[in-house]
Amino acid sequence: EVQLVESGGGLVQPGGSLRLSCAASGFTFSSYWMSWVRQAPGKGLEWVANIKQDGSEKYYVDSVKGRFTISRDNAKNSLYLQMNSLRAEDTAVYYCARDSSILTAYYNVFDYWGQGTLVTVSS
Amino acid sequence: DIQMTQSPSSLSASVGDRVTITCRASQSISNYLNWYQQKPGKAPKLLIYAASSLQSGVPSRFSGSGPGTDFTLTISSLQPEDFATYYCQQSHSIPLTFGQGTKVEIK
Repeated sequence: EVQLVESGGGLVQPGGSLRLSCAASGFTFSSYWMSWVRQAPGKGLEWVANIKQDGSEKYYVDSVKGRFTISRDNAKNSLYLQMNSLRAEDTAVYYCARDSSILTAYYNVFDYWGQGTLVTVSS
Repeated sequence: DIQMTQSPSSLSASVGDRVTITCRASQSISNYLNWYQQKPGKAPKLLIYAASSLQSGVPSRFSGSGPGTDFTLTISSLQPEDFATYYCQQSHSIPLTFGQGTKVEIK
């Protein structure tokens, strides 16, 4: 069974840092692109970043470029999001999501999601 | 960036109704359009990818159409478990973007 379990969320002050983790199981993690998607309280979904299977390509939404870094450790079946210079508008539930491309041949389609971890940026 | 606009933002319907949700892209995205269902406090669930391909395990009452700029998600006969918020998402280009969501409520 495919499982994605996020951790690392919490309350942080503006300008602070936080590192999110996503532990993957039930599939060959190293074969899949992975993404982070966030959802502010009561709002819609926003894609944040994605990373290629070997970590050689990474892409970000403009609002987090230069502040957030996506990474992965295939030996540990884990995905990470390092978040620096956090702002109030970064407050959201952060989901990790698997890209289904090796199954469907369509990239950037999210077939499995974690349960999410809440990040609150407030003083 | 490609903007995705859903309509309506919300709708009320009864069990057994046929429901259609529309998603419009700000430019042509071929068939790179996906639909997700989200229930309160839960992660989104993939329903439809590539505009009209049904994800494994999703009931056949869900269907999608495209391609181009205008897309629809249709639920042929609404069931109690279908009351949720639905999002479209373009997978044509980075940054990946979602519609604002359509909340389907019980009439």
